[in-house]
Amino acid sequence: EVQLVQSGAEVKEPGESLKISCKGSGYIFTNYWIAWVRQMPGKGLEWMGVIYPDDSNTLYSPSFQGHVTISADKSISTAYLHWSSLKASDTAIYYCARESRRGLGMGYWGQGTLVTVSS
Amino acid sequence: DIQMTQSPSPLSASVGDRVTITCQASQDISKYLNWYQQRPGKAPKLLIYDASNLETGVPSRFSGSGSGTDFTFTISSLQPEDVATYYCQHYDNLPRFTFGPGTKVDIK
Repeated sequence: EVQLVQSGAEVKEPGESLKISCKGSGYIFTNYWIAWVRQMPGKGLEWMGVIYPDDSNTLYSPSFQGHVTISADKSISTAYLHWSSLKASDTAIYYCARESRRGLGMGYWGQGTLVTVSS
Repeated sequence: DIQMTQSPSPLSASVGDRVTITCQASQDISKYLNWYQQRPGKAPKLLIYDASNLETGVPSRFSGSGSGTDFTFTISSLQPEDVATYYCQHYDNLPRFTFGPGTKVDIK
């Protein structure tokens, strides 16, 4: 069974750094891309970027380029989303999602990680 | 950049009703469109890929159609468990993705 398990909720202060994780299991991690999606409180879904775990090639949405870093460690089947300096506006639920088996949809999703940034 | 719009939002219907949501792209996107369901407090779920293909395990009351700039998502007979927000999503071959704003569906 394909599973994506994300790290737990975080509460941080503005200016702090943060890395959240997404661990894949039940499939060959390097065979499918992983995407990150943001959902701000009460709002819709926003694609942030995608990583190919085999070679760590990444593609970012222009809206998020330079604000976050997506990485992966294929030895432990885990993808990451990193901020070097959080802002209050980064408060949101962050989802990771894996490529579908058919088509180019996001066929498998993590449970989401709530990040709260507040002083 | 390609922009996606959805209508209506919100949408209120009775159990058993046929529900239709439309999604429009700002330029021709062929059939590069997916539909997702997000129930309250849950992660999104892929329902339809490539505009009209039903994802494995998804009930047949869900369907999608369209190509180019105009797409339709239909629930043939609304069930209580279908209360959710539905998103269309364009993708390209890189892949890059653009979500529509979502359509919230509830029961009258």
